[in-house]
Amino acid sequence: AQSVAQPEDQVNVAEGNPLTVKCTYSVSGNPYLFWYVQYPNRGLQFLLKYITGDNLVKGSYGFEAEFNKSQTSFHLKKPSALVSDSALYFCAVLNNAGNMLTFGGGTRLMVKP
Amino acid sequence: ETGVTQTPRHLVMGMTNKKSLKCEQHLGHNAMYWYKQSAKKPLELMFVYSLEERVENNSVPSRFSPECPNSSHLFLHLHTLQPEDSALYLCASSQDRIVHPNSPLHFGNGTRLTVT
Repeated sequence: AQSVAQPEDQVNVAEGNPLTVKCTYSVSGNPYLFWYVQYPNRGLQFLLKYITGDNLVKGSYGFEAEFNKSQTSFHLKKPSALVSDSALYFCAVLNNAGNMLTFGGGTRLMVKP
Repeated sequence: ETGVTQTPRHLVMGMTNKKSLKCEQHLGHNAMYWYKQSAKKPLELMFVYSLEERVENNSVPSRFSPECPNSSHLFLHLHTLQPEDSALYLCASSQDRIVHPNSPLHFGNGTRLTVT
């Protein structure tokens, strides 16, 4: 069975510092990987995806994620955090057949001024 | 604007009430989903509809009853709920039941349900 792990319930970062939100996955075959962001009282918004190609993918709002096949990880990163980045972040993996999308438990990012 | 609209945004209901959640997607998608988001728990996939047919039901209690009258609308009918059913209920859509990597799920803003 496929799974996604986000080991940190919360990540605290000072504004202007780099941030990393961790994600590891388990899936048969080559993975399709996604990050979603959820702001308060809103649904999940698509942030970025990895399908194939470059291991570093760029997404919305200056976020990027690095795919590491050997470590089965897909960590979300941003060089300089903003207070407005404070939100709940979800990692997800899609199987090759496209019929199973599994979400991680979410990581709350708190960026302090 | 996400293209997926959910109403109401907030709902408070007693355990003996009957209410319905509504979802409408304006994206021309063929698949629609209900998810439950509870505090400190992973997202739970409840139901999946593809071309108006229910194709997945993940052991959801019968007090939750979905309805998909057409590919643009999805309802979740609620009756005799329990306090532990209080959660954020999210509707999502995708182009097809088979989710294409280039066309991930699109979510609505959810209905915050409180059962008293």
